[in-house]
Amino acid sequence: GQNIDQPTEMTATEGAIVQINCTYQTSGFNGLFWYQQHAGEAPTFLSYNVLDGLEEKGRFSSFLSRSKGYSYLLLKELQMKDSASYLCAVLDSNYQLIWGAGTKLIIKP
Amino acid sequence: ETGVTQTPRHLVMGMTNKKSLKCEQHLGHNAMYWYKQSAKKPLELMFVYSLEERVENNSVPSRFSPECPNSSHLFLHLHTLQPEDSALYLCASSQGTSGREEIQYFGPGTRLLVL
Repeated sequence: GQNIDQPTEMTATEGAIVQINCTYQTSGFNGLFWYQQHAGEAPTFLSYNVLDGLEEKGRFSSFLSRSKGYSYLLLKELQMKDSASYLCAVLDSNYQLIWGAGTKLIIKP
Repeated sequence: ETGVTQTPRHLVMGMTNKKSLKCEQHLGHNAMYWYKQSAKKPLELMFVYSLEERVENNSVPSRFSPECPNSSHLFLHLHTLQPEDSALYLCASSQGTSGREEIQYFGPGTRLLVL
């Protein structure tokens, strides 16, 4: 079967750095997405990786290793507004998007 | 504002009621999606429409019936639902259905409670 694994919850301190990991086992691979979802709101797109390596976008970076079935989202200079759930999703060989259950990130002052 | 709107935002219905959820996208996208989101579970894809044709139906119970009259509008018709159908129903749209084109833009969702 197809599977996306992410930690259920993480806690970090304001101003610090946090890395949220995602591992996947899917039938084929056509890209990996990260979304942010604040409580009670819709998910919003953060990043897309299809080639190995690091994609940087401001305070957020996303890394992909296709051979390891692994990605991480790196958040720097954490702010209280970064408290949210972070969803990892993989596009499989049929271009079907497989979603992880999300990682709830709690930021403490 | 993502360019995707959903109404109503909240809905309470009995198991014998019939109701409809509405989604509208103002992004000129070609694909639209219905998802069910339950607490601590992955997003469950229910239906996908590409260019107004249904291309995906992930074995959703027949008490959920989608309708896509044009590329900007998507409906989810509900009838004789069960309490376990209570969840957040999200609509999304994307430019296409492959690669980067599948970056999805979500509406705010309808919080549904079935009594």
